[in-house]
Amino acid sequence: GAGVSQSPRYKVTKRGQDVALRCDPISGHVSLYWYRQALGQGPEFLTYFNYEAQQDKSGLPNDRFSAERPEGSISTLTIQRTEQRDSAMYRCASSKSQDTGELFFGEGSRLTVL
Amino acid sequence: GQSLEQPSEVTAVEGAIVQINCTYQTSGFYGLSWYQQHDGGAPTFLSYNALDGLEETGRFSSFLSRSDSYGYLLLQELQMKDSASYFCAPRLPPIKAAGNKLTFGGGTRVLVKP
Repeated sequence: GAGVSQSPRYKVTKRGQDVALRCDPISGHVSLYWYRQALGQGPEFLTYFNYEAQQDKSGLPNDRFSAERPEGSISTLTIQRTEQRDSAMYRCASSKSQDTGELFFGEGSRLTVL
Repeated sequence: GQSLEQPSEVTAVEGAIVQINCTYQTSGFYGLSWYQQHDGGAPTFLSYNALDGLEETGRFSSFLSRSDSYGYLLLQELQMKDSASYFCAPRLPPIKAAGNKLTFGGGTRVLVKP
């Protein structure tokens, strides 16, 4: 596609349920990033991949959060046993090169945990 | 630890010039990116400074001084459509391999009045 595509755009779930958020990066982009953004704040780094390899997961809040990119393209961010504090906008971004400071962000998946 | 400082809000009139300052303290530093985000939208890339000096892109310019851990974004000939949040985002060393690992601050909300 022309841009980074994320699904679902909106997800409402009950506390304790697992959720999976999907990201389809721009075709040909090597690197894929996951960020979380609270209302009125800047994006917070979670993790990133080069191809299928997870290079840095230092931003994942705890072990309920995991991410994968098995074929080096589409990625899934999974949150297990969701809690209300997980409610936020989850944004995926991709980049063609690895040293230009330029990320292309998707429109995000807004997660609400009741 | 890491810290980012930029003003929370700036108000200016159409046609004016606005400078958004950013000071940072990070563990490692590769460069400074700037992003624009309209309400309800995704962050979009504006510029990246890896070296000291001024980078000009149309009405927007960005400056970096690595020795002072300081940068700024200059918005000239302000237009109503420039009303948005602006984020400075240092590019940090990733754990394993090259990448655009960016850390974002709280952002500066720019309000342009007629």
